[in-house]
Amino acid sequence: EIVLTQSPATLSLSPGDRATLSCRASENISKYLAWYQQKPGQAPRLLIYDASQRTTGIPAKFSGSGSGTDFTLTISNLEPEDFAVYHCQQRANWLHPTFGQGTKLEIK
Amino acid sequence: QAHLEQSGAEVKKPGASVKISCKGSGYPFSNHLLHWVRQAPGQRLQWIGSIHPGNGDTEFAPKFQGRVTVVEDTPASAAYMELSSLTFKDTAVYFCARDWGGGRNGGMDVWGQGTTVTVSS
Repeated sequence: EIVLTQSPATLSLSPGDRATLSCRASENISKYLAWYQQKPGQAPRLLIYDASQRTTGIPAKFSGSGSGTDFTLTISNLEPEDFAVYHCQQRANWLHPTFGQGTKLEIK
Repeated sequence: QAHLEQSGAEVKKPGASVKISCKGSGYPFSNHLLHWVRQAPGQRLQWIGSIHPGNGDTEFAPKFQGRVTVVEDTPASAAYMELSSLTFKDTAVYFCARDWGGGRNGGMDVWGQGTTVTVSS
């Protein structure tokens, strides 16, 4: 099983800041990584697929990068609605996808 | 607009089974793989398995193999997941989610609202 490790577990920032979230895979997954945003009581929402491609309707403030084993989600100019939990998911083994443990982005 | 609607919350005793439904609308149901994912309190999202409504092919995470059944009713645009031999550790919110992109590309782009399953004696 491909294990994804996200860091940090919690990130405390202020509105207007830039957030940098990390996801590391236990083996090479090429570009096959997705990022999701989840707010309390809601289902996850797909933000990024194929490491850097934004889903329709996702603003340019969300950007993804990386390949192989190291990936980053960057969120610029944080707004109150951006504070949530972010999950990464590998699709290199797409018939057996796995998720990271999540990073909670909280208001400082 | 694509939408997935799940059945309501369940409370079950240890050893029992639970069956959750997921009904799609707004898109050709048979064209997209459907995943089942759960989220236990304080835990990461955990993939349970998937079904392709077009042909009924299924895949399951090893940890759930033998304890989970997923079937589809394509004319009704619905899929069902049954988890048996429940333990307290199965207490979680269960989601169905549509796969988009095909193969290794893409992600889970449409999610049901989640079904809370509580296992309690």
